[in-house]
Amino acid sequence: AQSVTQLGSHVSVSEGALVLLRCNYSSSVPPYLFWYVQYPNQGLQLLLKYTSAATLVKGINGFEAEFKKSETSFHLTKPSAHMSDAAEYFCAVSEGTGNQFYFGTGTSLTVIP
Amino acid sequence: GAVVSQHPSRVICKSGTSVKIECRSLDFQATTMFWYRQFPKQSLMLMATSNEGSKATYEQGVEKDKFLINHASLTLSTLTVTSAHPEDSSFYICSAASGRPETQYFGPGTRLLVL
Repeated sequence: AQSVTQLGSHVSVSEGALVLLRCNYSSSVPPYLFWYVQYPNQGLQLLLKYTSAATLVKGINGFEAEFKKSETSFHLTKPSAHMSDAAEYFCAVSEGTGNQFYFGTGTSLTVIP
Repeated sequence: GAVVSQHPSRVICKSGTSVKIECRSLDFQATTMFWYRQFPKQSLMLMATSNEGSKATYEQGVEKDKFLINHASLTLSTLTVTSAHPEDSSFYICSAASGRPETQYFGPGTRLLVL
């Protein structure tokens, strides 16, 4: 069975500070992992995805995530937060084509000027 | 690439009426589309998986006669909320699956308010 845990439903950072959003997963097979961002009253936008090619994945808007099998983690980071990064972030896991996505409960990121 | 649209973006209707929401993949074909419901400040709840040319697969607790799903082509899936009631008011989001590994691309969502 698959599941995703996002520690910290709310994260606040100062503008220019490091952003770290945590995601841990459980999966019985090598997983595919995704990070999505959701702005208010909008759908989800794909930030990046891990497909087993490289453990460090770079995405849009300066975000990146590192797959650590030993820690079953896929934390999302950004070196310097921008005001426009304030949004809801969702981590998701899948076992591949034809399989359901399992979403975390989301982390709301607030950026303080 | 991988753009998904939803129509309408917002709908207000009277209790007892039916509402149809369209989900289109604009620049790719999607064998599988998904319908989610999202309550305020919560994660997505998968309602059903829609496969082109076959019946949708509904998640436990989702009434298939209440939420009718049709996936008539590789670029269009529709969700019809039949005899809508105020408790059906929510944010409905669709996604279309593409690529290897399969990635879900989401529509902008539809805000339904039933009076």
